[in-house]
Amino acid sequence: EAGVAQSPRYKIIEKRQSVAFWCNPISGHATLYWYQQILGQGPKLLIQFQNNGVVDDSQLPKDRFSAERLKGVDSTLKIQPAKLEDSAVYLCASSLTGTATGELFFGEGSRLTVL
Amino acid sequence: SQQGEEDPQALSIQEGENATMNCSYKTSINNLQWYRQNSGRGLVHLILIRSNEREKHSGRLRVTLDTSKKSSSLLITASRAADTASYFCATDQHNQGGKLIFGQGTELSVKP
Repeated sequence: EAGVAQSPRYKIIEKRQSVAFWCNPISGHATLYWYQQILGQGPKLLIQFQNNGVVDDSQLPKDRFSAERLKGVDSTLKIQPAKLEDSAVYLCASSLTGTATGELFFGEGSRLTVL
Repeated sequence: SQQGEEDPQALSIQEGENATMNCSYKTSINNLQWYRQNSGRGLVHLILIRSNEREKHSGRLRVTLDTSKKSSSLLITASRAADTASYFCATDQHNQGGKLIFGQGTELSVKP
C-alpha cells in the first residue's frame, strides 16, 4: 500500500514570496490533515478535511494560508506572503475513518525555510 | 492549543534499559495515541488506547491510561539504539470532530 506522498521535500524562499505544498493521501482515506511542526515542537493542526469539505480550520492563519482538497483526494496548502515565522515542516496526514478513532498516516513532510 | 504535555522533555538511557515517558492532558478524551518521529521524518503511529481501556501492549511497548488523573504513560522495554526518536502523545478530544492534538514530545536517546 502506497503511503502519503508530499512534495516538495524542501523549499527555501524569501519572506513575502509564496509557496505551495502538495499532498496525495492514501487511497480511500476520507480524512486529510495539514499540520505545522516548528523545530523542537509537536505538530500543530492547521486544517482538517473530510472528503472535500473543511471540518476544522480554526488555527489556520487565513490572511496568508489557504488550503483546498479538490475532488476529495489531493490537497494543496499555500502560503502567501510568507513570513520568517512560517519556517517549519508541513506535515500531511490521512486517516480512513471520519473521526480520529483510528491512526493517522503521515507523509515525510515538506520543510520550509523562509529567509 | 496543545493538549498533551509530555514529561520528560528529553531522556537518555543505555541499550537494554527501560524508557518511560508520561503524558498529561486537560479535557475529556475519546482516545489517546502515541507516535514516534525519527529525525527528519514523518510521524509513525505506535499505539492507540481508548478512554475505557486502562492498559495496552504492543511488542515491547506498554501504554497505560488513567482518565481520573488525565494522564498516560508509554513504557519501552529493553530499549535499542533504533528506538532513538521523539515520541508524541496525541489526544482525540470529545466533541472536537476527530482532530488529534499533539503534545510537545519527549526526545529519547538510546546509547549503544
